Amino acid sequence: GQNIDQPTEMTATEGAIVQINCTYQTSGFNGLFWYQQHAGEAPTFLSYNVLDGLEEKGRFSSFLSRSKGYSYLLLKELQMKDSASYLCAVKADRGSTLGRLYFGRGTQLTVWP
Amino acid sequence: DTAVSQTPKYLVTQMGNDKSIKCEQNLGHDTMYWYKQDSKKFLKIMFSYNNKELIINETVPNRFSPKSPDKAHLNLHINSLELGDSAVYFCASSQEYRGRRTEAFFGQGTRLTVV
Repeated sequence: GQNIDQPTEMTATEGAIVQINCTYQTSGFNGLFWYQQHAGEAPTFLSYNVLDGLEEKGRFSSFLSRSKGYSYLLLKELQMKDSASYLCAVKADRGSTLGRLYFGRGTQLTVWP
Repeated sequence: DTAVSQTPKYLVTQMGNDKSIKCEQNLGHDTMYWYKQDSKKFLKIMFSYNNKELIINETVPNRFSPKSPDKAHLNLHINSLELGDSAVYFCASSQEYRGRRTEAFFGQGTRLTVV
């Protein structure tokens, strides 16, 4: 089975830094994705990690440790528009699983002024 | 241009009816998916499909069936709708085989309400 855990909710203030953690236990691993989803909208891609280490992309960074089954998404210089749900997803890509994404339940981030 | 588009955006129907949701992608991707997002916002894979293989999540009732007329389309047909089918259904696509692999791109979602 696939098990992906992340906190349900987080809050932070504008201009701050927030780290959203994700732990996973999956059968097969071919990368970890972070998606952002605003209310009533589709998930949009933020970052991808397949090797250990940090990937930086503007205000957003994502880290992966495969041995620990752990990732985090770091958001810097928070803005009000960053209020959204952040979804951690693992791609299982072994045998017949056809590269599907398995999602965590999402972390609802609220940014206060 | 919309990369992954699904219709309709909203669908309200009565229990017992049969309905379809259409999905088209113009990204040239080889793999398409259907996801269900429940009231608690949990996004769960239903189907993965390319021209060679269909993978069905074992928890999906057989009232749900994907239909693919060609590699750019993956429609979702639902028979005998039940109240518990109410959710937002997302179509997605990605490139999994030949060429550069990509992340999954999602359609805007179809909010299905069964009354």
